[in-house]
Amino acid sequence: EDKVVQSPLSLVVHEGDTVTLNCSYEVTNFRSLLWYKQEKKAPTFLFMLTSSGIEKKSGRLSSILDKKELFSILNITATQTGDSAVYLCAVEARVETSYDKVIFGPGTSLSVIP
Amino acid sequence: GAGVSQTPSNKVTEKGKYVELRCDPISGHTALYWYRQSLGQGPEFLIYFQGTGAADDSGLPNDRFFAVRPEGSVSTLKIQRTERGDSAVYLCASSWTGNTEAFFGQGTRLTVV
Repeated sequence: EDKVVQSPLSLVVHEGDTVTLNCSYEVTNFRSLLWYKQEKKAPTFLFMLTSSGIEKKSGRLSSILDKKELFSILNITATQTGDSAVYLCAVEARVETSYDKVIFGPGTSLSVIP
Repeated sequence: GAGVSQTPSNKVTEKGKYVELRCDPISGHTALYWYRQSLGQGPEFLIYFQGTGAADDSGLPNDRFFAVRPEGSVSTLKIQRTERGDSAVYLCASSWTGNTEAFFGQGTRLTVV
């Protein structure tokens, strides 16, 4: 059965700290790995990773994928209170030629305190 | 529209009642997804539409759940004889095709009392 596991499930840090969020997966017909930030209700897209070893970067956030070991990490440097959110990892698995199914992990709840 | 719109944003209903949740996808997006998210968990896939047809409904938990998309745009998720365990946030997402980036709506928080 396809699954996505995230750790830790929750994390509390102080402003300025650096955090690393982990995601491991087991899926058939892997297509890509996605990271989302979820505040309140709607997840917002952060990164899509398809190739191993290539770091994606956006400001203080970065992510990398290891397709051999089946995991990804999301790094946030110099955390701010606005980074407080649930970070969701998801994996796209090819089901049919025109359809990729997205399987989400449980999320990591990050709280950044002043 | 500018983004995926879901209505209502919150719905409180009594156990046993019927509810309908609406999703307006981004204009032109042919793929539409429904997810359910319970507290402390990631979104759980329910159903995927490509155009008007349900291409994958394997995530619907039982026959009390049904979804339609009659004209290939707006979709309605219907839940019959609601149970307290149905309480969750129901998220809708749309994309240009079934394998491009999906954009999420703000969700409908359903509470069954």
